[in-house]
Parts: sequence; structure tokens; C-alpha cells
Amino acid sequence: DAGVIQSPRHEVTEMGQEVTLRCKPISGHNSLFWYRQTMMRGLELLIYFNNNVPIDDSGMPEDRFSAKMPNASFSTLKIQPSEPRDSAVYFCASSLDIDTEAFFGQGTRLTVV
Amino acid sequence: AQSVSQHNHHVILSEAASLELGCNYSYGGTVNLFWYVQYPGQHLQLLLKYFSGDPLVKGIKGFEAEFIKSKFSFNLRKPSVQWSDTAEYFCAVNALEYGNKLVFGAGTILRVKS
Repeated sequence: DAGVIQSPRHEVTEMGQEVTLRCKPISGHNSLFWYRQTMMRGLELLIYFNNNVPIDDSGMPEDRFSAKMPNASFSTLKIQPSEPRDSAVYFCASSLDIDTEAFFGQGTRLTVV
Repeated sequence: AQSVSQHNHHVILSEAASLELGCNYSYGGTVNLFWYVQYPGQHLQLLLKYFSGDPLVKGIKGFEAEFIKSKFSFNLRKPSVQWSDTAEYFCAVNALEYGNKLVFGAGTILRVKS
């Protein structure tokens, strides 16, 4: 398996634009997590899904953030409209079940100017 | 509130020195415990994990961690560090009572001087 695949690896966008980050989890994994990593706040859990259903989205910072998992092999994290303070590295991770080890993707480095 | 605390944000050691990174959590009940490592510019990788059984767990690259339930701790150790261990180390916990969401500590940046 190729592991967790995220795209794009880098994204530079202007303030106010919509940004969509994509994630393909490891095949057979039932849980998917979205994290944001910044120098100031460290690694924050934004939302996680189990069997494609959002379980906890309490970490989503604002209504500008939304996440979907239409099927077991794909998830998106959308920011609309984007702001400079959204600049961070966004990691997607998947695990076999919700209480087992998580495997991380390479991350998407987002810069909003 | 549920939390994971890592005591040191930055640690600087010389090669061959021993390492211990502290991690404490505030959850009661059943927990699963993890240490992840993030090398510069890379994604997080699992070093070791504890689910149950022997509280002393051994991971990759000579790392080990000890779960002490009474102290709510899961400290990471390595007897002799190498320059290649320079990285950021994250402790993580998921707790059944909090829906098993995987929560990370703030991380400890380790720099090993050659």
C-alpha cells in the first residue's frame, strides 16, 4: 500500500479564495483524522471520521472549515474563505479502527497570502 | 479537561547521552498511548505504542517507553542517542471515555549535537 496520500503537497492561495485539501486513506482503514500543525499551536485535531461518519468536529476552528468523507477512500477538508491565519501544515491520518495507531500522510503545506 | 502534557519543549543532548522525555495525560479509564517522531520536513511516524500488557514497551530505533498508570505517565527513553535522532517527538493518547479521539501533546524538539 502506498500509505496515506494527500494532495496537493503545497498550496499557495490568496486571502478569500476557497481551498480544498484531499486525502486518500490506507485501503481497509475505517478511521480518518484531519490535523493542523503550526508553530504556535502544535498539532491540533480538527475532525475525525469513523466508517465515513464524522464523530467529533469540535476541533474545527470556524464555520469557514468543513470536511467530508463521501466514501471510504476519499476525504476533503475545505476552507472557504481562506485567511492568512489558516496558513499551516494540514495532515491527514488513517487507522484501522478508531483506537489503533494512526498512519500519517505527508501533509499539505498551505500558505494564504 | 482532557490533555496530554510534554514537559520539555526543547532538549539538547550530545551523542551517546541518555534521553528521557516526559509525557503525562489527564484521562481516566482505558487509554491507548503512543509516541510519534517527526524528522525535519517529514510526516509523523509511529515510534511505539501501548495498548495493554507489559508496561515497558520497546519501539523502533532503540526507543522504549514505560506506562506508569498510577502516575498517568508514559515517558520515552533511549539509552544512547545519535545525531540522527534529531527530530520532534510527540506523545499521543486516545481514551475510550472521550470517544477515542487521538490527542497529541505539544511536542518536544530534540537536537543531538555530534
